[in-house]
Amino acid sequence: EVHLVESGGGLVQPGGSLRLSCEASGFTFSSYWMHWVRQTPGKGLMWVSRITSDGSATSYADSVKGRFTISRDNAKNTLYLQMNSLRAEDTAVYYCARAGGVARFDPWGQGTLVTVSS
Amino acid sequence: DIQMTQSPSSLSPSVGDRVTITCRASQSIGDYLNWYQQKPGNAPKLLIYAASGLQSGVPSRFSGSGSGTDFTLTISSLQPEDFATYYCQQSDSTPYTFGQGTKLEIK
Repeated sequence: EVHLVESGGGLVQPGGSLRLSCEASGFTFSSYWMHWVRQTPGKGLMWVSRITSDGSATSYADSVKGRFTISRDNAKNTLYLQMNSLRAEDTAVYYCARAGGVARFDPWGQGTLVTVSS
Repeated sequence: DIQMTQSPSSLSPSVGDRVTITCRASQSIGDYLNWYQQKPGNAPKLLIYAASGLQSGVPSRFSGSGSGTDFTLTISSLQPEDFATYYCQQSDSTPYTFGQGTKLEIK
């Protein structure tokens, strides 16, 4: 069974950093592009970033470009999101998702909550 | 960015009802449109891909249609487990964007 498990969320002060991890199992991780998507009660779902299967290319939403970095370790079946210069508006549940077909997200992990507050 | 607009924002149907949710894109996206279902406390789940493709394991009462800018998700006969929030998402170009959601609430 395909399984994605996020970790690394928590409370961080504005301007701080956090690294999220997403451990994959049940499929050949190195064959799939991967995404991060976040969700807030007020602004709904927002795509954050994607990375190709070999990690050679990445893409970001404008609101996180220059602050967030997506990466992966295919030997460890793990996806990462390094988040720097965090702002209050980055507060959200962050999900990792496997890319199927043309940018459809399936499945999703259970999510990890990031709270940016002083 | 491509804006995705869903309607209605909420709906209070009864079990057995036929339910239709619409999603409009701010520009043509071909059939690059996906639908997700989300229940409270859970991650979204893919229902429909490429506008009309039924994801494996999803009941056949769910169907999708449309192309270009106008899309529809239909539940042919609503079941109790279908009360949830539904989102459309365009996969035509980055940034991939979602609709604001349609919440099906028990009447």
